[in-house]
Order: sequence, then structure tokens, then C-alpha cells
Amino acid sequence: GESVGLHLPTLSVQEGDNSIINCAYSNSASDYFIWYKQESGKGPQFIIDIRSNMDKRQGQRVTVLLNKTVKHLSLQIAATQPGDSAVYFCAENTQGLPLTSGTYKYIFGTGTRLKVLA
Amino acid sequence: DTEVTQTPKHLVMGMTNKKSLKCEQHMGHRAMYWYKQKAKKPPELMFVYSYEKLSINESVPSRFSPECPNSSLLNLHLHALQPEDSALYLCASSQDRARIATYNEQFFGPGTRLTVL
Repeated sequence: GESVGLHLPTLSVQEGDNSIINCAYSNSASDYFIWYKQESGKGPQFIIDIRSNMDKRQGQRVTVLLNKTVKHLSLQIAATQPGDSAVYFCAENTQGLPLTSGTYKYIFGTGTRLKVLA
Repeated sequence: DTEVTQTPKHLVMGMTNKKSLKCEQHMGHRAMYWYKQKAKKPPELMFVYSYEKLSINESVPSRFSPECPNSSLLNLHLHALQPEDSALYLCASSQDRARIATYNEQFFGPGTRLTVL
């Protein structure tokens, strides 16, 4: 089930089941999105990305869905394994200031902890 | 080589010390980033360098001073830090957005765990 802790929502799933992690992003002008996996004591690891001109993108065992109408991203993990246990962050790529800088920055969502139960 | 390296892995410093964090990448990326991450929180952007020039400063206190000596290196100089500055400091790099029309994957280093006493 899904629960909201003091700081980090947690999703617990049985090994072998599919996981769905959700994310709401903030800027309707953002046009590129990344899902990251972060294990304890490590930096975020790229999982999959998607441009705003797409609704769905598939990788190996992972699928990202994008709904621009409601500014929502989801990450689906098929046949969840113990090694998938980590914190998952979505990040949106949005234009920094000043707008003439041509530089874009990434804004991270709050994150979801995925716990895989044996 | 798709790796971003950071040194040191751990750093403990007093409030009067001066120290530096280092980051290196050899992927030819021209955008480099510093993030600060507190426990159970997402990474928070601090600085962005684009083509070795500071492009974004997210209103970071002056006790943090970034430096980009060349396209492969990024430093973060620390001076007179406070205990609340204790966190994981992450470096990242990506192709510069201005050049790349499609995907702009950002790679992270393992971070430096900083403790300020």
C-alpha cells in the first residue's frame, strides 16, 4: 500500500508485482522529465526520461507515462525485484532565469520510497 | 566514460575551516551543477555552470563559492559554514541545453557527505 510519512511517501509492494510511482510536476512549460533512483548513500541514478511531445516511453522493465493536462508523471516498474528498493525522484527540466541565459535547470519532486517485500 | 566523480566522499569540518569539494567529468558535458541534499529530501539546486560560466545561482549564501576551472572540473569552496549546512553535496553534468535539441540526460556523482561541527 501507499502511505505518506513525515517527509517521504512510501510504497510497499510484493516481490514480482508491478509498482507504480506517481509524481506531480509544477511548471506547465517544462518539456523534459527524468526519473531517478537513489539508493542509500549514493547519488541519483538515471532510469528513464521523456520529452513532452510523448505520452509514453518504455525501457527495460520500466515505463514512464506523461499526462500534460494534469501535469502528472508516473513510473511503472514491472516484476519488481528486491534490488528496486530505493527512493525514486522525478525531475522536470525547466528554463532558469534570466530567460535569455539559455540554461535550463532541473526541479526535483519530493520523492517516493519503494520497499519491496519478499 | 559516463561517470561523474566527486572527492572527498566524506568531510568533517569546523565552522572556522576552509575546505573545497571537487567534481570531475570526462563526458564532454558543458553544463555542470551543484546540489545540496538533506536527509529524506530531494536534491536542491545550488549552482549551474554553462560553458565554464556561472549561469544560475539559486540565492546561495556567500559562504559557498563555486568555481569552474575548466570544462571537466567543478569545485565548491566552503568557508565559515554552519551546522545546518551539513548535507550530501551532489555534483551533476549534462550536455548544454542550448546545443541539444532532444534529450538532455543529467548524470550525478556519488556525492560528498559533509558534516559541520
